[in-house]
Amino acid sequence: DAGVIQSPRHEVTEMGQEVTLRCKPISGHNSLFWYRQTMMRGLELLIYFNNNVPIDDSGMPEDRFSAKMPNASFSTLKIQPSEPRDSAVYFCASSGRGSAYQETQYFGPGTRLLVL
Amino acid sequence: AQKITQTQPGMFVQEKEAVTLDCTYDTSDPSYGLFWYKQPSSGEMIFLIYQGSYDQQNATEGRYSLNFQKARKSANLVISASQLGDSAMYFCAMRELGNNRLAFGKGNQVVVIP
Repeated sequence: DAGVIQSPRHEVTEMGQEVTLRCKPISGHNSLFWYRQTMMRGLELLIYFNNNVPIDDSGMPEDRFSAKMPNASFSTLKIQPSEPRDSAVYFCASSGRGSAYQETQYFGPGTRLLVL
Repeated sequence: AQKITQTQPGMFVQEKEAVTLDCTYDTSDPSYGLFWYKQPSSGEMIFLIYQGSYDQQNATEGRYSLNFQKARKSANLVISASQLGDSAMYFCAMRELGNNRLAFGKGNQVVVIP
């Protein structure tokens, strides 16, 4: 069974450009999470979808960040315009029942973003 | 407030030895789950083991076991018979009932030496 798929794996862009990160969750999972990992702040939850609906976006840093989940098998995280401080590893994770604390979240390989 | 505390410095472990990674957590919620993840140098986050707050027995998964001491709010990971491939950063995480967030600790670095 395929795990969580993320693309691109690496992205280098210039400040001010739009960046779109993509995620395909594990088939059958109905919850999807976007995390950001930096040395300074560790792993932070950005946004959480349940059944394609955004439930908690309080971790989204600012209006430059937006996320969508148009269907159960695809989500995007967009940064527009990008800034150097957005440089980080962005992880997508999915789980079977997002609202249940017992559910394991399975992570994708991450997208390493560098904004110059 | 810090929910998950992992304070050990980087650890060097001899191959085939056991290693214990400390994790303490802070919650007032009686219902929660504790998770350990491994992040090797390649960067992916790999789920290792889960312990629920109501579980009576310590969780085990192959060479991984969790020493769960609920009263002390401690959930230490034990890796038995260390292998070179165990060299990685290990993260403890907690999710409380009614909270969407998986709160992560800062991680423990483990290097297994032959």
